[in-house]
Amino acid sequence: NAGVTQTPKFRILKIGQSMTLQCTQDMNHNYMYWYRQDPGMGLKLIYYSVGAGITDKGEVPNGYNVSRSTTEDFPLRLELAAPSQTSVYFCASSSGGGINEKLFFGSGTQLSVL
Amino acid sequence: AQTVTQSQPEMSVQEAETVTLSCTYDTSENNYYLFWYKQPPSRQMILVIRQEAYKQQNATENRFSVNFQKAAKSFSLKISDSQLGDTAMYFCAKLPPGKLIFGTGTRLQVFP
Repeated sequence: NAGVTQTPKFRILKIGQSMTLQCTQDMNHNYMYWYRQDPGMGLKLIYYSVGAGITDKGEVPNGYNVSRSTTEDFPLRLELAAPSQTSVYFCASSSGGGINEKLFFGSGTQLSVL
Repeated sequence: AQTVTQSQPEMSVQEAETVTLSCTYDTSENNYYLFWYKQPPSRQMILVIRQEAYKQQNATENRFSVNFQKAAKSFSLKISDSQLGDTAMYFCAKLPPGKLIFGTGTRLQVFP
C-alpha cells in the first residue's frame, strides 16, 4: 500500500522560481490537504479539497495555488518563490470528516528558498 | 477565527512517570472533533487519540487519555507510564467541517 506519496523529498529554489509539489493517494480519499510546518512550529493549513473539482483556502494560502482534477492527485503550485516559503510541506488525505478523520500523511517535502 | 493553542512549547518527564500536555481552542460550533497527533523525529504524523465534542466521556487509548472540558474549551492529553518512545512533538488539533486545524505543538522529552 503506497498511501500518500509526495515528490520531491527535497528541493532548493532560487527567489522568484516556480515549482509544483506533487501529491497522490491511492486510497480513494475524498479529502486532501496541504500543510506547511516551519521549524519548531505546528502545521498550518494552506489549502484543502473535499473532492475532485473542489478546493478551498486554509489559514495561509497566499503565494500558493492548488488544483484537484482527479480524486488521486492534489498538486501544490508555488508561482514566485520567496524565502518565507522555506518550510516542510506535508500532503495528507482522509476518507471524510468527523470522528473517522484519520489523516494519512505523506513523508513531507523539505523546501528551501534562497 | 478558529485557533488551537498549546501553551507549553517543551515538556520533560522521567520514564514511567505521568505527564499532561495542555490544549485550548476557540470554536463557534456546538459539535466538532478534537485530536492529539504525535510527530516523532521521522516526521511521520501519528494519530494518538480523538474525542467527539458531544460525548462527555473522556477518550482513552491504553496509556493515553484526555481531559475534555467543553465549557472551558480545554482538551489536555495525559500520558501515563511514560516510555522513551513517547519522545516526540505532540500536536492538538480541532476539526470544524472540512479542515483540521493544528496547534503549535509541545515537544516532549522522556528521559531515563
